[in-house]
Amino acid sequence: DAGVIQSPRHEVTEMGQEVTLRCKPISGHNSLFWYRQTMMRGLELLIYFNNNVPIDDSGMPEDRFSAKMPNASFSTLKIQPSEPRDSAVYFCASSLSGGAEETQYFGPGTRLLVL
Amino acid sequence: SQQGEEDPQALSIQEGENATMNCSYKTSINNLQWYRQNSGRGLVHLILIRSNEREKHSGRLRVTLDTSKKSSSLLITASRAADTASYFCATEAGSYQLTFGKGTKLSVIP
Repeated sequence: DAGVIQSPRHEVTEMGQEVTLRCKPISGHNSLFWYRQTMMRGLELLIYFNNNVPIDDSGMPEDRFSAKMPNASFSTLKIQPSEPRDSAVYFCASSLSGGAEETQYFGPGTRLLVL
Repeated sequence: SQQGEEDPQALSIQEGENATMNCSYKTSINNLQWYRQNSGRGLVHLILIRSNEREKHSGRLRVTLDTSKKSSSLLITASRAADTASYFCATEAGSYQLTFGKGTKLSVIP
């Protein structure tokens, strides 16, 4: 299995631009998580999908952030408009069904820099 | 909000030595997990310990959990240069959600 795939791996953009991050979870996994990692705040959960349905988006910072999961093999995280404080590493993770003792498998991350 | 807090923030040891990292948390948990993150990579699951367990082993890893003190420790024995990474504890408190600490950065010097 290829593991969780994220693209792009690096993104540099200017403030105000739209940014779209992409994730392909592990085949057969029904749960998908988007995280953001910064030095100051560590790793934060942004949103959780189960069976393509957003279950908890309480971690999404504000309306500039949106996430979709149109099918079981693809999810996007969009920031519009982007701001310098959005600079971080964004991780996508998947698990079999989101159960309490399940391992979450992380992608390599997208390193976003907003100038 | 941060649940787990790792200690120390950074640790540097010689190859062959043991490395111990600690994690403290604030609320009751169902389980606690340890993850490793190599530089520029995603997190990799290492081990899970349930709240009713006190100690667990996996290869060179030994994890302890003290629910009365709300703390856990990760011991890596006979460290190798390849163990150089950041190590995170994550707590699970009754739902799908894992709450991660900020990590301990371990450097193993050959």
